[in-house]
Amino acid sequence: KAGVTQTPRYLIKTRGQQVTLSCSPISGHRSVSWYQQTPGQGLQFLFEYFSETQRNKGNFPGRFSGRQFSNSRSEMNVSTLELGDSALYLCASSDSLDTQYFGPGTRLTVL
Amino acid sequence: EDQVTQSPEALRLQEGESSSLNCSYTVSGLRGLFWYRQDPGKGPEFLFTLYSAGEEKEKERLKATLTKKESFLHITAPKPEDSATYLCAVLYSSRLTFGEGTQLTVNP
Repeated sequence: KAGVTQTPRYLIKTRGQQVTLSCSPISGHRSVSWYQQTPGQGLQFLFEYFSETQRNKGNFPGRFSGRQFSNSRSEMNVSTLELGDSALYLCASSDSLDTQYFGPGTRLTVL
Repeated sequence: EDQVTQSPEALRLQEGESSSLNCSYTVSGLRGLFWYRQDPGKGPEFLFTLYSAGEEKEKERLKATLTKKESFLHITAPKPEDSATYLCAVLYSSRLTFGEGTQLTVNP
């Protein structure tokens, strides 16, 4: 089976802009989670979607949002970018057995 | 609030020198403890899932164990290609809470 894919792999934006990241889960996986990884904070949970519904949400401001489509693909959006949003954004998918498999990530740089 | 603490932060070993990484956790209602390996600039790679105290899992030179308060990742006779950051995480209500990781360097 193909693994989790994320696009784009690298992104450079300026403060105040918005960005959309995409994630395609492993075939058959219905749960998609998003995480932010920074050197100072480590890996932090953003939100999780299952069958197009947000089931869980982390402690991030409302500028961070996401959605899931009927084919389980997911997108996350960050509006009004800040310098502190520079990070590696990771998507993970899982089936009903709880183990989450991660994609390669999208490296976002905010200038 | 779930907490995961990993130690040491960094570990340097000589090739063949066995050691252990520690992950201590406090969580209400553990649904699973996970070990991942992460190489620079890449996403975490799944290694093991442990569900209950006393459980052990092995894969090549790695062995993970679990007690009620902590987990260990034992590395036997490591090779330079085992150099990576090893992350521990606990699962609660579909979200993973990660530790800060142990950066392992294995010198030839």
